[in-house]
Amino acid sequence: AQSVSQHNHHVILSEAASLELGCNYSYGGTVNLFWYVQYPGQHLQLLLKYFSGDPLVKGIKGFEAEFIKSKFSFNLRKPSVQWSDTAEYFCAVNPQLDSWGKFQFGAGTQVVVTP
Amino acid sequence: SAVISQKPSRDICQRGTSLTIQCQVDSQVTMMFWYRQQPGQSLTLIATANQGSEATYESGFVIDKFPISRPNLTFSTLTVSNMSPEDSSIYLCSVEAQLEQFFGPGTRLTVL
Repeated sequence: AQSVSQHNHHVILSEAASLELGCNYSYGGTVNLFWYVQYPGQHLQLLLKYFSGDPLVKGIKGFEAEFIKSKFSFNLRKPSVQWSDTAEYFCAVNPQLDSWGKFQFGAGTQVVVTP
Repeated sequence: SAVISQKPSRDICQRGTSLTIQCQVDSQVTMMFWYRQQPGQSLTLIATANQGSEATYESGFVIDKFPISRPNLTFSTLTVSNMSPEDSSIYLCSVEAQLEQFFGPGTRLTVL
C-alpha cells in the first residue's frame, strides 16, 4: 500500500537554527510531491511542489526541498528559521497516474521555533 | 487561486445524529475533494465530488455514511451520518485550481 512517512512528529528549535524535515514515500511509479504548512488557526497552504525537472525546488518563505528518486525522499529544508515558522508541516504525494487532488499525506510534523 | 469557505467551522453533536458540512468556492472548479483529519493523524481522502455525477469514495468510506452533494461548480456538501465518537475529526474541503491544491479552513466536529 502507498504510504508517506514523516520522520519527526515534533521538532523544537531556536531561531536562526537550520531545519530539515524528512519525508519518504512508498510508491513505485512517478509522483508529484508537495509540502504544505498549517500555521496556527489557518488553512493548509502550499509551501512548494515538485512535478519534474530540477530535483531541488524552492518554495515560499525561504523553504526548499530536494527530491531524491533513489531514496523515495522529499526532504524539506530551511537554513535559518524564524519564530513565525512555528507551524505544522505536511508532506503529500499525488501519484501521477491517479486523479489530481487525490493526495496521500504524511502524519505531519509540529515545528516549534523558540525566540 | 481559490478561496474556500466551510460551514460550520465547528460543531459538537450527539451520537446518532447527522451533520451536513457546506463547502463554498469562489470560482468554478471541476473536482472537489473531502478529507478527514482524525486527532493526531494525517489527512485522509474521503471522496472526490464531480458536478453532475456520483461522488467517488475511497476505500473505507461509503456513501451511506458520508453522502455528498455537488449541485454546481462552486458548492458541495458532505454529511456525516449516524455519528459516533469515532467520527470526531476535522473535515476539510479541497479543490484544484491551476495545478495547485487549495484547502478550506476545515470543520472541527466533536461527537459526544
